[in-house]
Amino acid sequence: DAGITQSPRHKVTETGTPVTLRCHQTENHRYMYWYRQDPGHGLRLIHYSYGVKDTDKGEVSDGYSVSRSKTEDFLLTLESATSSQTSVYFCASNSESNQPQHFGDGTRLSIL
Amino acid sequence: QQQVKQSPQSLIVQKGGISIINCAYENTAFDYFPWYQQFPGKGPALLIAIRPDVSEKKEGRFTISFNKSAKQFSLHIMDSQPGDSATYFCAAKETGNQFYFGTGTSLTVIP
Repeated sequence: DAGITQSPRHKVTETGTPVTLRCHQTENHRYMYWYRQDPGHGLRLIHYSYGVKDTDKGEVSDGYSVSRSKTEDFLLTLESATSSQTSVYFCASNSESNQPQHFGDGTRLSIL
Repeated sequence: QQQVKQSPQSLIVQKGGISIINCAYENTAFDYFPWYQQFPGKGPALLIAIRPDVSEKKEGRFTISFNKSAKQFSLHIMDSQPGDSATYFCAAKETGNQFYFGTGTSLTVIP
């Protein structure tokens, strides 16, 4: 595996609170991604990064922000969590954009 | 709008049978088509992938068939085993960085 660690693995929080999910990779991959997985929707891209401090939006970016201050870390922040953001979140990385993505084992986030 | 349409949503196959999962797309800019396998509580893992200049790719019991003119590609699992029971996702990537995933197929192989 590509050595991707997500933390926390599970989190329950309340509507309106800020939440930060962390992704850490040990492969020195340039590209990192955040997805959410929901029944009937598969995996949908939230944001991605193509280098330190270089990020861009995916197809479902509203309500999320990201930061990448080091190659190995990619943070996903929900500034004010809503119930619609209850989901399983996956981080992925690859060395080049045309290479397969390697995924972490996900964070299950429940917003009550 | 779903960029990659995957079917069926669920599939039950007898041990030793052939499992077939289909995907279709419209965007002709897609240039890379991977399949991922996901077990409960785990992230998706790359199973096999194909590029549009090839019509078929085989790795062990897993085969991708690709029809560029029809904009369709499929995963065939030969001699399906109970250990193959998982959720399978097709995906497509356009020039650049963004991958688009299908909605997934839950495969159950009955012993």
